[in-house]
Amino acid sequence: GQQVMQIPQYQHVQEGEDFTTYCNSSTTLSNIQWYKQRPGGHPVFLIQLVKSGEVKKQKRLTFQFGEAKKNSSLHITATQTTDVGTYFCAGPTGSNYKLTFGKGTLLTVNP
Amino acid sequence: NAGVTQTPKFQVLKTGQSMTLQCAQDMNHEYMSWYRQDPGMGLRLIHYSVGAGITDQGEVPNGYNVSRSTTEDFPLRLLSAAPSQTSVYFCATWITGVLNTEAFFGQGTRLTVV
Repeated sequence: GQQVMQIPQYQHVQEGEDFTTYCNSSTTLSNIQWYKQRPGGHPVFLIQLVKSGEVKKQKRLTFQFGEAKKNSSLHITATQTTDVGTYFCAGPTGSNYKLTFGKGTLLTVNP
Repeated sequence: NAGVTQTPKFQVLKTGQSMTLQCAQDMNHEYMSWYRQDPGMGLRLIHYSVGAGITDQGEVPNGYNVSRSTTEDFPLRLLSAAPSQTSVYFCATWITGVLNTEAFFGQGTRLTVV
């Protein structure tokens, strides 16, 4: 079946270092979304990318959607302790009725 | 406007017991779904519904039943709980459509089966 794969599974950084998580789909996606889940919390929507090659920024976060619409990345510049959490990518697979999530990347930040 | 409300927040069951996890939304979203989250496994889709009266299976449906009699509610039933169902369960809703697929999650139900 259609899969959404995400790497790395874990990433530990020193505060101030950059961080990147990558997402790959086995099929072309109509859009891709990114979510953040704080420890003990629930996933919260960050952003959606729709266009091939799209790049969006939210303060220190940069999101990219690949030209083939099969991969995406989230880059955080100069991490802060508030960035701690698990970052998930998700894409509609089959139809827009099913949202398939990657396994997530757990980011920990050492102050 | 409460968004997505899940109850209970925590539950401990004995093997073989049954229970229903409740999910209610007040955003008039067509789509509702249940995910389970286990360490290292991400969010796995259990069942989903695209509207009242319509449900379908996701990736890991065995051991769970759902129904959708109203737009607002989408309960998840465990008929005979097993230790393998120990997990955190999230209900999520959204409006379908390519340009607007943002999912809203409930706070989660942490279930332990002993």
